[in-house]
Amino acid sequence: QTVVTQEPSFSVSPGGTVTLTCGLNSGSVSTSNYPSWYQQTPGQAPRTLIYSTNTRSSGVPDRFSGSILGNKAALTITGAQADDECDYYCALCMGGGTHWVFGGGTKLTVL
Amino acid sequence: QVQLQESGPGLVKPSATLSLTCAVSGGSISSSTYFWGWIRQPPGKGLEYIGFIYYSGNTYYNPSLKSRVTMSVDTSTHQFSLSLTSVTASDTAVYYCARAVAGGLIDQWGQGTLVTVSS
Repeated sequence: QTVVTQEPSFSVSPGGTVTLTCGLNSGSVSTSNYPSWYQQTPGQAPRTLIYSTNTRSSGVPDRFSGSILGNKAALTITGAQADDECDYYCALCMGGGTHWVFGGGTKLTVL
Repeated sequence: QVQLQESGPGLVKPSATLSLTCAVSGGSISSSTYFWGWIRQPPGKGLEYIGFIYYSGNTYYNPSLKSRVTMSVDTSTHQFSLSLTSVTASDTAVYYCARAVAGGLIDQWGQGTLVTVSS
């Protein structure tokens, strides 16, 4: 069974930089998994931040960036702001892109 | 700007079938560019992919749910639907409909609808 791993929680200081990661329980994440990242505040639908590893969705500020770091996908937030405090989910496309698997999410605290 | 809106019962009895519909407005459901799908989120937990359907009717389901899931698309009413059979309490979740494109982009989300499985 494919399991996508994320840090359960992370903290960053206001104005700081944080990198969240997205891995696989077996194997490495590659661009062929089309990693994507979603931001979710309580009670709201997710908002798509990044897709295809490093492409920002429409309207997403450039302080959010995606990459592959080692064997994982990564989301880097530079200049963290108070309203960045929420949950972040990654998703990977498996099986040639027809099957998506979401990670368990990372709760980001800005303090 | 395309908008997606889920509708359906908020309460379903155990062992019954959960049925939801997503209305698409402001865009064509028949476009060859897009996939239409469902993602759910149990209360206090993470997101789970349920599946996608292409306008032609081709479907792609989460293997763990495949035996209980059916999706359909109705281009005449600009809607697509989800049916999940034999539900249990573990199927209680907010169900989101979504639009996706190849390359891993979900570019539109519905607002979500809470479905509770309880007698």
